[in-house]
Amino acid sequence: KQEVTQIPAALSVPEGENLVLNCSFTDSAIYNLQWFRQDPGKGLTSLLLIQSSQREQTSGRLNASLDKSSGRSTLYIAASQPGDSATYLCAGSNYKLTFGKGTLLTVNP
Amino acid sequence: DTAVSQTPKYLVTQMGNDKSIKCEQNLGHDTMYWYKQDSKKFLKIMFSYNNKELIINETVPNRFSPKSPDKAHLNLHINSLELGDSAVYFCASSQAASEGTDTQYFGPGTRLTVL
Repeated sequence: KQEVTQIPAALSVPEGENLVLNCSFTDSAIYNLQWFRQDPGKGLTSLLLIQSSQREQTSGRLNASLDKSSGRSTLYIAASQPGDSATYLCAGSNYKLTFGKGTLLTVNP
Repeated sequence: DTAVSQTPKYLVTQMGNDKSIKCEQNLGHDTMYWYKQDSKKFLKIMFSYNNKELIINETVPNRFSPKSPDKAHLNLHINSLELGDSAVYFCASSQAASEGTDTQYFGPGTRLTVL
C-alpha cells in the first residue's frame, strides 16, 4: 500500500527566498510523481508531473526532482513570492494517485 | 471557460437525506474521478470512470453511487447521509485511460455539510 509523506507540514518564509518542499513515498513502483497546488477554498492545480523514467521537471521558477530508489521527491521554488502562498501536495501514481497531506506555504512580503 | 465544473459549490443538509453532486468536464477527457477531502485535508480517491465504465472503487460505502451518463459527466449520488460524510468532494478528469498516468484536472470542489 502506497503511503506518501510530506515534510514540513507548514513553512513560512520571507519573500525572495528559495525553498524546498519534501515528499517521500513507500512504494517505488510508481508511474509518475505529481505536484499540485491548492489555494484555500479552491480545487487542485497541477504544477509538475515527473514520469518514473525521469529525474526532474522544470516549469518557470519551479523544479521538481524524483529519486525512485530512495522514494523521495522535492519541489524547489526559486525567488518565492507572496502569490506562491498555498498548500502544495505531492501524489504518487501506481494504479491510482495517493496524496500526501500537503505543505502549507506562506510567503511573507 | 471552466475545464471541470461542479455543482453545487456548497451543500448543507440533514442526516438521512439523499443528495447529488454533478460534475462536467469540457476537456474531451476519457477518465473522470471523485475524490474526498476530509477535515484533516487528506485527499483520497473514491471512484474512477473511463468512458462511462467504473474502473476504480475504493471501498466506499454503497450509499455512494456514481453515475456517468456520458464521458463528459460524472455525478455522485449519496443516500442516507451521515455526519461523517461531511467533507469537500472534488471531481477530476484526465486523458489517460489508466488512472494516475496522466495529469489530472480538478474541479473547484463541493463542500458538503451534514447536520
